[in-house]
Amino acid sequence: DADVTQTPRNRITKTGKRIMLECSQTKGHDRMYWYRQDPGLGLRLIYYSFDVKDINKGEISDGYSVSRQAQAKFSLSLESAIPNQTALYFCATSDPGGQGFSGANVLTFGAGSRLTVL
Amino acid sequence: TQLLEQSPQFLSIQEGENLTVYCNSSSVFSSLQWYRQEPGEGPVLLVTVVTGGEVKKLKRLTFQFGDARKDSSLHITAAQPGDTGLYLCAQSWEIYNQGGKLIFGQGTELSVKP
Repeated sequence: DADVTQTPRNRITKTGKRIMLECSQTKGHDRMYWYRQDPGLGLRLIYYSFDVKDINKGEISDGYSVSRQAQAKFSLSLESAIPNQTALYFCATSDPGGQGFSGANVLTFGAGSRLTVL
Repeated sequence: TQLLEQSPQFLSIQEGENLTVYCNSSSVFSSLQWYRQEPGEGPVLLVTVVTGGEVKKLKRLTFQFGDARKDSSLHITAAQPGDTGLYLCAQSWEIYNQGGKLIFGQGTELSVKP
């Protein structure tokens, strides 16, 4: 099984529908992230969570919400999907332990969830 | 706001050629990472560079961190079709990860033709 599992892998929906993308991890990491990928724009951070009681907005949180149900689970919701939310969504985890002075925060990504909003 | 600039955005070369991808920022990095992403998969870490002037090698890939820690490059020697993919640089600002967020460049799409 993959360390970071995203469901669904592909989803087509209509404008105005509520969508939830789910992420679960077996890495035991406290930190979890949701990124959005669009061609030519790289990965942009939507929300991140450093533990179950901690939720933070990223660069592009408008139109999205998240829930950290447990250390291993972090879900992303689109309350009312719109076409410009069509994108590839990635969940990632990280463990700050062992980084030393560098503070290098290495991410482990899921395989992605492709969402199309018609 | 795009804080990391990668160039070129697209690169199509023949097998055996050399190439360099650049990642630049107006901010000083506390560390910089390079990831590679293949179609249908998430990005996978290639390397982390931390010290200004640092050079790291991963087989035919050479990663360099600028002396001022504001830029980095990835050089591939004798590219092979298996090197095809999206290469992403990512910047981390916070030491000791009080923040822990990574900001990504827009990526370089590399295609290596046989």
